[in-house]
Amino acid sequence: KNEVEQSPQNLTAQEGEFITINCSYSVGISALHWLQQHPGGGIVSLFMLSSGKKKHGRLIATINIQEKHSSLHITASHPRDSAVYICAVRSGGGADGLTFGKGTHLIIQP
Amino acid sequence: ETGVTQTPRHLVMGMTNKKSLKCEQHLGHNAMYWYKQSAKKPLELMFVYNFKEQTENNSVPSRFSPECPNSSHLFLHLHTLQPEDSALYLCASSQDPSGRLLSYEQYFGPGTRLTVT
Repeated sequence: KNEVEQSPQNLTAQEGEFITINCSYSVGISALHWLQQHPGGGIVSLFMLSSGKKKHGRLIATINIQEKHSSLHITASHPRDSAVYICAVRSGGGADGLTFGKGTHLIIQP
Repeated sequence: ETGVTQTPRHLVMGMTNKKSLKCEQHLGHNAMYWYKQSAKKPLELMFVYNFKEQTENNSVPSRFSPECPNSSHLFLHLHTLQPEDSALYLCASSQDPSGRLLSYEQYFGPGTRLTVT
């Protein structure tokens, strides 16, 4: 089973700062997802990556397959970005091939 | 109504009760999922349905019983639960013709916060 590590576990920053959240995994994957979970539980899928880089608004996600590492960047952070960011990877068929990180709790202060 | 809806949003039940969680998706997707999120733990995939057929049961105890009558509705029947089953239960859907988990974007419902007393 893949091991997924996210860092940092908790991050507090000031509005406007550039934010980076990291995700590392131990076994080769076919897809990696970044999810955003707001207080109250609702989850939104931000990105699905298998290679390279994707950008959506102020969010950028990158993945380095060789280094088994992905980063989620937030530019010009805003208090509404405060949420838990979860990395999830698919490394094989079946439910056993699906692994979620524990999440990074981000707080953006005004 | 659009997206993925779940009812109830909050549920408190005793260990001898029987209750059901409901999920409905209005996105025309063919795959639906149940996840469990316990405090301080990562998300755990419980069940997967693809075209109404259960394709995955991730070693979930039999006190949780899923039902998928059609591709738009998914139920999770609960009976004789334990206090450690208290968690947030999330439903998701995706358009996933291959049945390969997380190969396609998933859309999540708001979740049901379950407390077992």
